[in-house]
Amino acid sequence: AQSVTQLDSQVPVFEEAPVELRCNYSSSVSVYLFWYVQYPNQGLQLLLKYLSGSTLVKGINGFEAEFNKSQTSFHLRKPSVHISDTAEYFCAVSNTYNFNKFYFGSGTKLNVKP
Amino acid sequence: GAGVSQSPSNKVTEKGKDVELRCDPISGHTALYWYRQSLGQGLEFLIYFQGNSAPDKSGLPSDRFSAERTGGSVSTLTIQRTQQEDSAVYLCASSSVPGQGKELFFGSGTQLSVL
Repeated sequence: AQSVTQLDSQVPVFEEAPVELRCNYSSSVSVYLFWYVQYPNQGLQLLLKYLSGSTLVKGINGFEAEFNKSQTSFHLRKPSVHISDTAEYFCAVSNTYNFNKFYFGSGTKLNVKP
Repeated sequence: GAGVSQSPSNKVTEKGKDVELRCDPISGHTALYWYRQSLGQGLEFLIYFQGNSAPDKSGLPSDRFSAERTGGSVSTLTIQRTQQEDSAVYLCASSSVPGQGKELFFGSGTQLSVL
């Protein structure tokens, strides 16, 4: 079985400050990892994904994430946030045996303040 | 259409009534998913359709929930005898040819409120 944990339900941060949203997963097999973003009253859209290769993955809107197998983590980072980054962020995992099934974390609400 | 379309966007119903939620995926997408998003919780997998294969219904919470996909396109999620705990946002997502790391494209969801 797989699971995804996003420990921070809310993260407040000031504009232009750096931010890290944490994601940890559990899986007995190799995984594929994703970050999705949900803006108010919209569906989720893909920010970035890790399949294999380089552990540092760059996505849209200046976000990046690093896969750490030993710590079973896939934390999302941005060096300088904007007001427009205010949204809810979801970490998700699938695996190499059942890559059609996606497990999502509970989400982290990023609130960027001016 | 350009994206995944869900209707209605909002549905208010009385406890015990049946509801139908509709999802129109991106044209050509063979995979279709239903998820439930409850307040303060993550996305809960409900059901997955892939082409003409038998759907993966392992996430349906009870036999009051059912879904079908007609002609490999539009899908309908039906909840019978709704209960207050069914109140949530129901999200539909579609994806193109199955493969590792495929992206899910989500609709804006249906907000279901059971009074």
